[in-house]
Amino acid sequence: TQLLEQSPQFLSIQEGENLTVYCNSSSVFSSLQWYRQEPGEGPVLLVTVVTGGEVKKLKRLTFQFGDARKDSSLHITAAQTGDTGLYLCAGANSGGSNYKLTFGKGTLLTVNP
Amino acid sequence: SAVISQKPSRDICQRGTSLTIQCQVDSQVTMMFWYRQQPGQSLTLIATANQGSEATYESGFVIDKFPISRPNLTFSTLTVSNMSPEDSSIYLCSASAAGQRAFFGQGTRLTVV
Repeated sequence: TQLLEQSPQFLSIQEGENLTVYCNSSSVFSSLQWYRQEPGEGPVLLVTVVTGGEVKKLKRLTFQFGDARKDSSLHITAAQTGDTGLYLCAGANSGGSNYKLTFGKGTLLTVNP
Repeated sequence: SAVISQKPSRDICQRGTSLTIQCQVDSQVTMMFWYRQQPGQSLTLIATANQGSEATYESGFVIDKFPISRPNLTFSTLTVSNMSPEDSSIYLCSASAAGQRAFFGQGTRLTVV
């Protein structure tokens, strides 16, 4: 069974601060995805990282995939209240038509004004 | 991208009854999945809905409790049978085309009383 450990589980910060969320596994994934989920909604995909060592930027969000494709991090610069939500990492083993995801437990981020 | 509609969005049900959740995708997809998200928790995969054949269930989930149908490439249902308060959760439908990202419905919030 593949497991993804996410840390921290909860994070409460002030607007303008920086933060990093980690996602670690002992297993190798073909790709890793980061989602954000707001209350009452389904998860919304932020980014997919595929290549070991890959870094992707989405405005103030920076995503990195570890060289061995077992871990990833999400860094948010100058957090805003609109960044509040549940951040989920999910590992995929996509072979052919299979796209089954294994989710981490999530990081609940609260950005206070 | 695919748009996924789930019905109902929420329901309150009596213990011992069953609820069927519908998932409609606006385009043909290869894979459809059902997840459960318990309060404050991450997503746990219940099963993969296979078109025209029995669903593939994950460990801890059985067909008698969570029967699933998928009559065509764009529609699936999940039934939560003989419900108990422990079944109170958010149930999410997910879909993906071959080698592409997974999309999620907005979820069905189920409360069993």
